[in-house]
Amino acid sequence: DVKVTQSSRYLVKRTGEKVFLECVQDMDHENMFWYRQDPGLGLRLIYFSYDVKMKEKGDIPEGYSVSREKKERFSLILESASTNQTSMYLCASSLRQGPSYNEQFFGPGTRLTVL
Amino acid sequence: SQQGEEDPQALSIQEGENATMNCSYKTSINNLQWYRQNSGRGLVHLILIRSNEREKHSGRLRVTLDTSKKSSSLLITASRAADTASYFCATDAEGYSTLTFGKGTMLLVSP
Repeated sequence: DVKVTQSSRYLVKRTGEKVFLECVQDMDHENMFWYRQDPGLGLRLIYFSYDVKMKEKGDIPEGYSVSREKKERFSLILESASTNQTSMYLCASSLRQGPSYNEQFFGPGTRLTVL
Repeated sequence: SQQGEEDPQALSIQEGENATMNCSYKTSINNLQWYRQNSGRGLVHLILIRSNEREKHSGRLRVTLDTSKKSSSLLITASRAADTASYFCATDAEGYSTLTFGKGTMLLVSP
């Protein structure tokens, strides 16, 4: 059974803290994605990665960075958390090619609150 | 970036009724997908329809795609309370490998 896991379901941090959100997939997928989801704004792509050590900016990368040292793990880093980064963060993965190449599998999400 | 737009934003029906949600998008696509999200959880893939397909079925789900109108519809037949969730369309634009999601339709199915 395919699985994407995220390190925390709920997280509370203080303004200015460095925050790490971890995502692990066990499907040997090449592509991994980080989104944030806010009411009225839908899902917005922050960063994605096509391969190990490779990263691409999405639509809203400001204030975030990512790391992909291993194929199965994709980390989202908030260098200095701010209150406007309070949101639901969703990680997803997908194959790079094949008949289902673009079907994305999502983790359960991390609800981050920055105080 | 292009974005799918779902319509309606919210839909409330009784169990046993059919639910229809629509999605419009702006540019040419490779495929269009529908996802479901239960409250506070991650998204789950429901169905994918390619740009050269017009209709696709999966269980109680029926998806249509009209590329000339740049629109798609998702029909859930004989709805159940367990179908209560938000439904999102996602488009994969030609030349791009990422998906762009709409803002979703919130479906409430009452027993």
